Amino acid sequence: DVKVTQSSRYLVKRTGEKVFLECVQDMDHENMFWYRQDPGLGLRLIYFSYDVKMKEKGDIPEGYSVSREKKERFSLILESTSTNQTSMYLCASTTGVNTEAFFGQGTRLTVV
Amino acid sequence: AQSVTQPDIHITVSEGASLELRCNYSYGATPYLFWYVQSPGQGLQLLLKYFSGDTLVQGIKGFEAEFKRSQSSFNLRKPSVHWSDAAEYFCAVGPYSSASKIIFGSGTRLSIRP
Repeated sequence: DVKVTQSSRYLVKRTGEKVFLECVQDMDHENMFWYRQDPGLGLRLIYFSYDVKMKEKGDIPEGYSVSREKKERFSLILESTSTNQTSMYLCASTTGVNTEAFFGQGTRLTVV
Repeated sequence: AQSVTQPDIHITVSEGASLELRCNYSYGATPYLFWYVQSPGQGLQLLLKYFSGDTLVQGIKGFEAEFKRSQSSFNLRKPSVHWSDAAEYFCAVGPYSSASKIIFGSGTRLSIRP
């Protein structure tokens, strides 16, 4: 069974803290994505990566950075959290062209 | 610009009734279309996908969708819903190249009336 694993299901952080969200896939997929999901806004793409050490900005990259040092791992970094980053974060991976995405279970981040 | 529109934010249907969730897309080339379902607190699961060929595609859990190029639509249907179908449903398009993103609609929340 294919698997995308996110390191945490729930996180509570204080404003200004640094946060790492980790995502690991075991399918040898080239592409990995980070989305945030908010009510009424659907999934909005933060960053994606189509190869190791490669990254592309999505629609809402401000306040986020990413790291992909190994093919199977894609990390989302929030350098200094703010309350407007409270959200559900979803990681996904695909093998390439015209294939479906496989999603992790999501991390619900609350910034207080 | 590529986009996906799901015009219905929230739909309520009675258990056993038929269901149709609407999806319209804007895309420059032949689209690759998907429907995903998200149960509360969970990630997204693929229901079905359309790449080419027969425009009526069958998916899991008794769902089907029809691709209509002339209407730029890819509506999801189920003849008889079950209480367990209550979830959020997302239509998506792409990726059309290996270095491209998947574009999602804003989702439709489905509630089931007993």
